[in-house]
Amino acid sequence: DAKTTQPPSMDCAEGRAANLPCNHSTISGNEYVYWYRQIHSQGPQYIIHGLKNNETNEMASLIITEDRKSSTLILPHATLRDTAVYYCIVRVGNTDKLIFGTGTRLQVFP
Amino acid sequence: NAGVTQTPKFQVLKTGQSMTLQCAQDMNHEYMSWYRQDPGMGLRLIHYSVGAGITDQGEVPNGYNVSRSTTEDFPLRLLSAAPSQTSVYFCASQKNTYEQYFGPGTRLTVT
Repeated sequence: DAKTTQPPSMDCAEGRAANLPCNHSTISGNEYVYWYRQIHSQGPQYIIHGLKNNETNEMASLIITEDRKSSTLILPHATLRDTAVYYCIVRVGNTDKLIFGTGTRLQVFP
Repeated sequence: NAGVTQTPKFQVLKTGQSMTLQCAQDMNHEYMSWYRQDPGMGLRLIHYSVGAGITDQGEVPNGYNVSRSTTEDFPLRLLSAAPSQTSVYFCASQKNTYEQYFGPGTRLTVT
């Protein structure tokens, strides 16, 4: 499985866009990029996924570079409730197992 | 739908004791999995199942057993608890979509 690299922590001011990077330079052609987040001690929550096109949903946008070796999760207007650990995961389709790394701890401040 | 439920929420065991962590889902999901999360760490996959009667090992399977006799339930058994198994355990399920749903977790302490 391809591995991902994320910065351990980031800060973002409330109301501003939070841009969380992820490096997955060894990703295979059939592996998707997934993002999950974990707020405090709760179970992780799915955010978004993509293969090669940029994706947007009600929570976030996912920008994948053309060579697919990196991606960025964008929270367009961060709120205090977005403070969480964000995990970037690569996975084959929707049937392969999810392998979590250590993620990025995003702190949104007032 | 109740989603993914886990019992108990908290548990304290003595070294050598055995117990079963329960996980159930009412969404008719085929795929279920168990993770553990140690303090300050990401989640690590213990075991997973792609359907009733089918299970496989994840990253850290030693010391744990699973079985999947029904679609709804996926219990995790600790055979002989050790302090190294002190952790938070999460169960998750998924159907033929891209989103995994996680339970609220079981916080286990082994003394």
